[in-house]
Formats: sequence, C-alpha cells, structure tokens
Amino acid sequence: DSGVTQTPKHLITATGQRVTLRCSPRSGDLSVYWYQQSLDQGLQFLIQYYNGEERAKGNILERFSAQQFPDLHSELNLSSLELGDSALYFCASSVVGRSLDGYTFGSGTRLTVV
Amino acid sequence: DQQVKQNSPSLRVQEGRISILNCDYTNSMFDYFLWYKKYPAEGPTFLISISSIKDKNEDGRFTVFLNKSAKHLSLHIVPSQPGDSAVYFCAASSGSARQLTFGSGTQLTVLP
Repeated sequence: DSGVTQTPKHLITATGQRVTLRCSPRSGDLSVYWYQQSLDQGLQFLIQYYNGEERAKGNILERFSAQQFPDLHSELNLSSLELGDSALYFCASSVVGRSLDGYTFGSGTRLTVV
Repeated sequence: DQQVKQNSPSLRVQEGRISILNCDYTNSMFDYFLWYKKYPAEGPTFLISISSIKDKNEDGRFTVFLNKSAKHLSLHIVPSQPGDSAVYFCAASSGSARQLTFGSGTQLTVLP
C-alpha cells in the first residue's frame, strides 16, 4: 500500500456519460498530480494541484476538470465521455510541489467507455 | 511530440545477467531524471534518480547512467532477478516544471 488511495479501481460507463475519479493523497502530501495512461502509451500528465490550488496543466481536455478539496483529496471529473477516453488514470502525490521529491502513485482507476 | 522516448517496448534477459534499459530525451532543459517500476495492477513506484550534474548514480543492483551530450540515459540492473520483471518508465523534469514527463515504458522479463 503506497498510501495514495484511488477509487474506484474499475469503472465501466457508456459514451456521453460523466464520471468522477477520486484520490486521497498520502498523509502529509500537499501536492496531487493526475496522469492518464492509454494503451501502449506512457503516462500523460493532466493536471497538478498544490494545497487546493491548480499549479500546472498538461494535455487535459476541456471535457475534463479537477479540483482539490480542503482535506487535500482530489477529484477528476470526466464528461461527455468518448471511447478514446478509456485508459488507466493515476493519481500521485508528493510533499511539496516539485518533482524532485519523486511521486507516490496510487494503483489507478481503469476506465472503460463502451 | 514525445520529449522522452523509450524505443524498446520489451526486453528479455536471463536471470543473473545484466539488464540495460535505455531512454532518450529531446528537451535540453531537463535537469532531473527518474526511473519508475510498475507491476500489473499497481501504480508506478520510484526506483532511482539522477541529477544532470552527475553522470552516474548507483543504488544496490541498480545504476543509472546519464550522457547529457547524447541526451541519453540508461538503467542497468545487475544481476537481474525474476522479481525485476515489470514495466520500467523513464521520466524527466526541468527546474521550472513541477510535473514529470514520462516515456512509454519498457517491459522487462527476467527468465529463470
């Protein structure tokens, strides 16, 4: 157990629907990162939050949004889902907002859009 | 545009031999490099890192080499063990960036 909790582990939904993925960071970590891993692809950075505020944005679609709450857990909202959104979504956390610390990853949420 | 590339999707090595995983990058602003290991149904876990001011970092059986002029880094595992079988991701960051840029991964299989 890495200390980063992601729920749900698996999610199957239809095209056009909206889903919410949840992430609880490791205790004491203020920074949360979201990554997407599609089939045979590396991890693509989506977005980073630090202590409730958005810090950096990657290749995140406009249909996707995220937020970090006062208790530091984060949610990634995916709407108007398309087949191509099927992927593994990972959340990672770190103490501060710099990658030099290395990340601690959760075990991911596997999203299947049918 | 892939800034971090792992051109070998898979590598098979005999137990006890050396495993060499390679990674190339294009962004000359990258100054910190990391390797992550990923088992099925788990998230990636940090393995070893290297700063651009160094050309080698060693941790037990794992050594990372950095060749800045070639924009190339490699991970050496000696001796390889069956438990090392996993997907290995190379990642990089620059001083101003707060996120890591990952390669597409290499599946290492260590044969008993």
